[in-house]
Formats: sequence, C-alpha cells, structure tokens
Amino acid sequence: AQRVTQPEKLLSVFKGAPVELKCNYSYSGSPELFWYVQYSRQRLQLLLRHISRESIKGFTADLNKGETSFHLKKPFAQEEDSAMYYCALSSYSGGGADGLTFGKGTHLIIQP
Amino acid sequence: DVKVTQSSRYLVKRTGEKVFLECVQDMDHENMFWYRQDPGLGLRLIYFSYDVKMKEKGDIPEGYSVSREKKERFSLILESASTNQTSMYLCASSESSGLGVYEQYFGPGTRLTVT
Repeated sequence: AQRVTQPEKLLSVFKGAPVELKCNYSYSGSPELFWYVQYSRQRLQLLLRHISRESIKGFTADLNKGETSFHLKKPFAQEEDSAMYYCALSSYSGGGADGLTFGKGTHLIIQP
Repeated sequence: DVKVTQSSRYLVKRTGEKVFLECVQDMDHENMFWYRQDPGLGLRLIYFSYDVKMKEKGDIPEGYSVSREKKERFSLILESASTNQTSMYLCASSESSGLGVYEQYFGPGTRLTVT
C-alpha cells in the first residue's frame, strides 16, 4: 500500500531563513508527487508537482527516487508562506481515475 | 476559473440521521472526489468517481455512499450519521485524458458536526 510521511507536524522559522518541509513516500511503482497548500480561511490548492519541475512562489521540490523523498524547499521564507502544507502521491497508471494519498500535513509558521 | 462549490459550509446533525453533502463543479471535469480532513490525520479519500454513475471506493469508504447522476454533481451520503463522522469534508474535481494525473481543484469544505 502506498504511504506518504510528513515527519513534522509543525515547523517554525524566522522570516528570511531557509525552509525545508520533508516528505517521504512508499510506493512500489512510479509515483506522481504533489505539494498542496492551504492558507488560512482558503481552500486547498496545488502548489507544485514534480513532473512540471517549476518553481512556484519561490518553492521547489525534487523527486529523489533513491531516498523516496520529495522535500519542499525555499531559500528565504516570507511571512505569507505561513500555511498548512500537504505532500500527496498518485499511483495513477492510466485509465479511469485515482485519488491522492496525502500526508498528515505540516503547519509552517514564519515568524517576523 | 474552476469553481467547485459545496452546498453547506457548516452542518449540524444528530446521530442516526441521514446526511447528504452536495458538490457541484462547473468545469466539465470527469473526475470527482470526496475526502475528509481531520487534524493530525491529513486528508483521507472516501470515494471517487471518473464518470456519471461510476464510483470507486477510496481508503475509508465505511459508513459512506456516493451518487453521481449528473457529470457536474457528486453527492456524499452518510446513511446513519455517527459522532466519529464529525469532520471537515472536502470535494474535489479534476479533468481526465488518460495521459496522467491532473490537478485537483477543491471546494471550500463542509464542516459537519454529529451530536
């Protein structure tokens, strides 16, 4: 069975400091991985996905198949980055649809 | 802009009641999903649907059923609500082409309290 692990429930860093939110997964096939974010009083939304390999709001994430990790990084945290972050995995293999398996989430707090 | 709407933001029901949660999307998406979101547990998939009248169980389907009679609407049904179903329920939709996984667009959520 697939699993997504986010080891930190809460991460607090100061504004301007680097941020790394950890995500590890277990899945025997070829996964598609995502980071979703939920800002206060807003709906959950996609932040980035590994196949696009793009940087969104200064965040990047690299899929490391050897370490089965997909950590989210930002070199300089901003106060508006404070939010709940979820790592998610899809085991979609073609045809129909597949839901996402989410981690338990990391609450990121950026202190001024 | 994709719009996913849910019929209620807050709902309070009694134990044993039948509860309907409605979700509507306006982007002609094939796929629709129901998750529940609990503090410390993240999001867990209850059911999903990839076409009208088609449904698949997710990770925690027990105590729930779904209905998809029209493409734009996906209903979650609690046949006999119990207190352990008190939670935030999120609906999502995504397009489908058989070529990969597309972004899921989420609704604002329905906070259900069962007393």
